[in-house]
Amino acid sequence: GAVVSQHPSRVICKSGTSVKIECRSLDFQATTMFWYRQFPKQSLMLMATSNEGSKATYEQGVEKDKFLINHASLTLSTLTVTSAHPEDSSFYICSAWDREGGYTFGSGTRLTVV
Amino acid sequence: DQQVKQNSPSLSVQEGRISILNCDYTNSMFDYFLWYKKYPAEGPTFLISISSIKDKNEDGRFTVFLNKSAKHLSLHIVPSQPGDSAVYFCAASPFINAGGTSYGKLTFGQGTILTVHP
Repeated sequence: GAVVSQHPSRVICKSGTSVKIECRSLDFQATTMFWYRQFPKQSLMLMATSNEGSKATYEQGVEKDKFLINHASLTLSTLTVTSAHPEDSSFYICSAWDREGGYTFGSGTRLTVV
Repeated sequence: DQQVKQNSPSLSVQEGRISILNCDYTNSMFDYFLWYKKYPAEGPTFLISISSIKDKNEDGRFTVFLNKSAKHLSLHIVPSQPGDSAVYFCAASPFINAGGTSYGKLTFGQGTILTVHP
C-alpha cells in the first residue's frame, strides 16, 4: 500500500529558531499534500493544502509567514515553522492524496519548543 | 464551528462485545465519510469509508452506518478486541476521493478513545 514518510518524528528546538519537517510519498506521486496540527485530546486541524509547483493554500487563521510550506516535487513537501515559540508546540501530521489510494497519512512529528 | 462532532470522548467495552462509535455532522455538503484509527504519536490509519449514496458499508469486523437525514454515522466493531484500543476519528469530505478526479478537504471530529478490556 501507499506509504508516507514523515521526518523527524520528534524535535525539540529553542524559542526563536526554525524547524523543518519533511513529508515524502515513498511509492507514489502525490500532487496534493495536506498539513495538519493536533493539540492534545483535540481534533486534527487542517493548516494548509499544498500542490506540487504552486503556492500552498492556507486555512483561515494560519499564518503563512510562520508556517512555510514548500512542495517542490511530486514526492516531497516540507513545513518550516519559523521563529518558533512555545505555543507552536504541537503534533504535526502530513497527508498525501492520490487518485488510487486516496489519503495516506504520515506518522507525525512531535514539536516541542523550549 | 465544529462541523464534525464526536460527542463521546471515551468508550470502554469488554472483549468480544460490540463497540459503537458515533459521529454527527452539520454540513450538508459532506458527501463522503471516513473512519480512522490513531495511536498516540502516530498518524491516523484508514479503517473504512462510506459514500453518501450508501447507508451501510462492511469490512470484516468493521461496519459503518450512515443516516443522511439525521446527519449521523456510526462505526460498529464486532467482536471487539484489545488491539482495537486506540483513538477513533471520523472525518468528512465534500467529495469522493479514491478514484475520483479531485479531492475534498477532510474535516475531522474530536476523536473517541476506545478501550477494550480483556
